[in-house]
Amino acid sequence: EDQVTQSPEALRLQEGESSSLNCSYTVSGLRGLFWYRQDPGKGPEFLFTLYSAGEEKEKERLKATLTKKESFLHITAPKPEDSATYLCAVQGAGGYNKLIFGAGTRLAVHP
Amino acid sequence: DADVTQTPRNRITKTGKRIMLECSQTKGHDRMYWYRQDPGLGLRLIYYSFDVKDINKGEISDGYSVSRQAQAKFSLSLESAIPNQTALYFCATSASGGDNEQFFGPGTRLTVL
Repeated sequence: EDQVTQSPEALRLQEGESSSLNCSYTVSGLRGLFWYRQDPGKGPEFLFTLYSAGEEKEKERLKATLTKKESFLHITAPKPEDSATYLCAVQGAGGYNKLIFGAGTRLAVHP
Repeated sequence: DADVTQTPRNRITKTGKRIMLECSQTKGHDRMYWYRQDPGLGLRLIYYSFDVKDINKGEISDGYSVSRQAQAKFSLSLESAIPNQTALYFCATSASGGDNEQFFGPGTRLTVL
């Protein structure tokens, strides 16, 4: 059964304090791993798609990396506006666009 | 204007009532989805549709039904609402082929008393 586990559940950082969020997954034939950002009261906003181990993608202070068992979302010198819940999802070989989501990591960045 | 819209944004109803949540999109995507989000559980797929004539059950379809009225419209119905259907409901769309990323609406907060 395809499964996604995110850790930690919640993370509090000081502004400028870099850290990483983890997404561990088990899936039969990974077709894609997706990262989303969700602000309170809003729908998830697409950030990245990763397809194969070793792949990396960057956007502003965020960098996503992928191995065969997990993905990391690295946040460099975060700002308060980076505070949000970050969701990870996987699509398996039989997924037909179906995504399996993790429960998310709630990030709070304080000035 | 938002690419994916959902109505209503908030709804409070009573046990046993029939409820319809509506989703419209202007992205021109063929594929549409309904998810529910509960604290600590993440998003779970209720139903999905790859075109107007295609409807498929997701992992938690019991107690729900859907209608794909047009390429741009996908409705979710709760025929007889129960309190454990209290949740956030999201509609999403994606293009066939491509990078497969899904684009989400703003959500509907449903409370069943």
